[in-house]
Amino acid sequence: DSGVTQTPKHLITATGQRVTLRCSPRSGDLSVYWYQQSLDQGLQFLIQYYNGEERAKGNILERFSAQQFPDLHSELNLSSLELGDSALYFCASSAQPGLATDTQYFGPGTRLTVL
Amino acid sequence: AQSVTQLGSHVSVSEGALVLLRCNYSSSVPPYLFWYVQYPNQGLQLLLKYTTGATLVKGINGFEAEFKKSETSFHLTKPSAHMSDAAEYFCAVSEQGAQKLVFGQGTRLTINP
Repeated sequence: DSGVTQTPKHLITATGQRVTLRCSPRSGDLSVYWYQQSLDQGLQFLIQYYNGEERAKGNILERFSAQQFPDLHSELNLSSLELGDSALYFCASSAQPGLATDTQYFGPGTRLTVL
Repeated sequence: AQSVTQLGSHVSVSEGALVLLRCNYSSSVPPYLFWYVQYPNQGLQLLLKYTTGATLVKGINGFEAEFKKSETSFHLTKPSAHMSDAAEYFCAVSEQGAQKLVFGQGTRLTINP
């Protein structure tokens, strides 16, 4: 158990819908990262937050947005869903982003299926 | 831009045999290098990482990896495979000071009894 929690574990929805994925980081970690794992794209970095502020952005679609709240949990919002958005979405957290001592700890993921 | 290439999407070895999973990276600056393991229906778990210092890095579960700058490689090895090692393994790179991880496509390791 990494200490990172993600809810829900599974999500099945239809095209055009909007969903919210939730992540709680490990106790004490200020940074949260979102990654998408799909069969065709592999594991890709989406976005990072540090103490409530956006820190880095990757290959995140404009239909997707995220935020980190004052209690440090984060939500990833996916809207106007398409079949190709079906994937496993991971959240990771770390304490000292950018330092050699830092390690990203991954949650169990949310499996999104868009029908 | 950084990138990672894992040679072999599937590797199969016999129980007790040497495990060798290959990883090559490209980075314009000194990298941090990582190996993560993903067991079925689970998240990623860090096996080991290289940041600076000794180029031979030891990780959990008997795995180790050697950073070879001249070959831009960070291959993962384990002397004797165990059935419990069956999983998907991901090599990743990040720039020093940057935070995002860039992952390879993964290598699925199968252990034959």
